Amino acid sequence: AQSVTQLGSHVSVSEGALVLLRCNYSSSVPPYLFWYVQYPNQGLQLLLKYTTGATLVKGINGFEAEFKKSETSFHLTKPSAHMSDAAEYFCAVSGWNTDKLIFGTGTRLQVFP
Amino acid sequence: DAGVIQSPRHEVTEMGQEVTLRCKLISGHNSLFWYRQTMMRGLELLIYFNNNVPIDDSGMPEDRFSAKMPNASFSTLKIQPSEPRDSAVYFCASSLDSTGTADTNEKLFFGSGTQLSVL
Repeated sequence: AQSVTQLGSHVSVSEGALVLLRCNYSSSVPPYLFWYVQYPNQGLQLLLKYTTGATLVKGINGFEAEFKKSETSFHLTKPSAHMSDAAEYFCAVSGWNTDKLIFGTGTRLQVFP
Repeated sequence: DAGVIQSPRHEVTEMGQEVTLRCKLISGHNSLFWYRQTMMRGLELLIYFNNNVPIDDSGMPEDRFSAKMPNASFSTLKIQPSEPRDSAVYFCASSLDSTGTADTNEKLFFGSGTQLSVL
């Protein structure tokens, strides 16, 4: 069985500040981990993913995430927030043996000027 | 390619009525997923298909919900009869199945969703 927990349903940062969105996972098989972003009134878009190899994964729009097996975490970060980053972010888990993605409940990011 | 196309974008109906949501997959994709998004539960996977065959429908809430893939490029999600607690945004997503390879979940493409309101 697989599951994802996103800590904090809302995160607020100032423009230019560090963005940190937390995600912890549970998986009975080696996990494949994903971050998706959802802008208002739109579907989800893939930001980045980890399957195997390098544990620090870089994605679009300056975001990156690090897979830490010992902490069962896959936190999303961005050094400097932009106003355009305001959206809802979803962490998701899957595995090599399935295309089924299990999503977390999402974190809404607000960016203040 | 126009991407995953869902219709209608918005649906308002009365309790007890039948609702049909539609989804057109990206050409060449063979996996299809239906998700429901609510404030309380976030994104829930309802059902997914691979090559037109339902693989996992454990997320379908109850018998009022049914999903079909009459052909390789199209799917419907039907709710009969609808209830106010079914109000949510329903997303369809498609991908090219690559289970068991390093490309698994290479990318899941989402439609823009159907906002369903049951009064």
